[in-house]
Amino acid sequence: GNSVTQMEGPVTLSEEAFLTINCTYTATGYPSLFWYVQYPGEGLQLLLKATKADDKGSNKGFEATYRKETTSFHLEKGSVQVSDSAVYFCALSLSSNTGKLIFGQGTTLQVKP
Amino acid sequence: GAVVSQHPSWVICKSGTSVKIECRSLDFQATTMFWYRQFPKQSLMLMATSNEGSKATYEQGVEKDKFLINHASLTLSTLTVTSAHPEDSSFYICSAREEQAWAEAFFGQGTRLTVV
Repeated sequence: GNSVTQMEGPVTLSEEAFLTINCTYTATGYPSLFWYVQYPGEGLQLLLKATKADDKGSNKGFEATYRKETTSFHLEKGSVQVSDSAVYFCALSLSSNTGKLIFGQGTTLQVKP
Repeated sequence: GAVVSQHPSWVICKSGTSVKIECRSLDFQATTMFWYRQFPKQSLMLMATSNEGSKATYEQGVEKDKFLINHASLTLSTLTVTSAHPEDSSFYICSAREEQAWAEAFFGQGTRLTVV
């Protein structure tokens, strides 16, 4: 079946450290891939997305590249800030017509000053 | 981005009662809305998809008589948890999108339901 697997958290980093959160997927067809962020007490916000192989999504210093050969969409940021502390969800969508998302289990990031 | 408002943010109810959660798109017409459930330290699981003016499509394993979804207008969908029990306690999140292909889905802030 279709699924998304993320690295387990929590991930604890010091400010200005490099961040990688791994995400791999299993899907039939050609999914679009997303990263969402959930700040404490808030709903999910789209962080970035990629709709085809080799696309790179980027936003707010975060990047992720759609790797079809490794079925991966790892999230990276060169220098994290305390304000990046949140839960990050990797997700896929199989169709442009539905907007149905299949989520990974989420990874909690805690950045310490 | 567009705004989706969910209400209430949290609710506590007694076992056996029903609870209604509202999801509103404030500045766009949401032809499709989605309801997700999030268990503690787990991922979001899609419960159902609702299209304006038609019956909701439920995911496998979701009781349609338990979780009543109404999408009566292009800006409002409601989820009613009927005869709630403690095991229904969870975080419920809605999302909404416009009709065109690849339209982004915007999420509400979620509702924390506690059944006592």
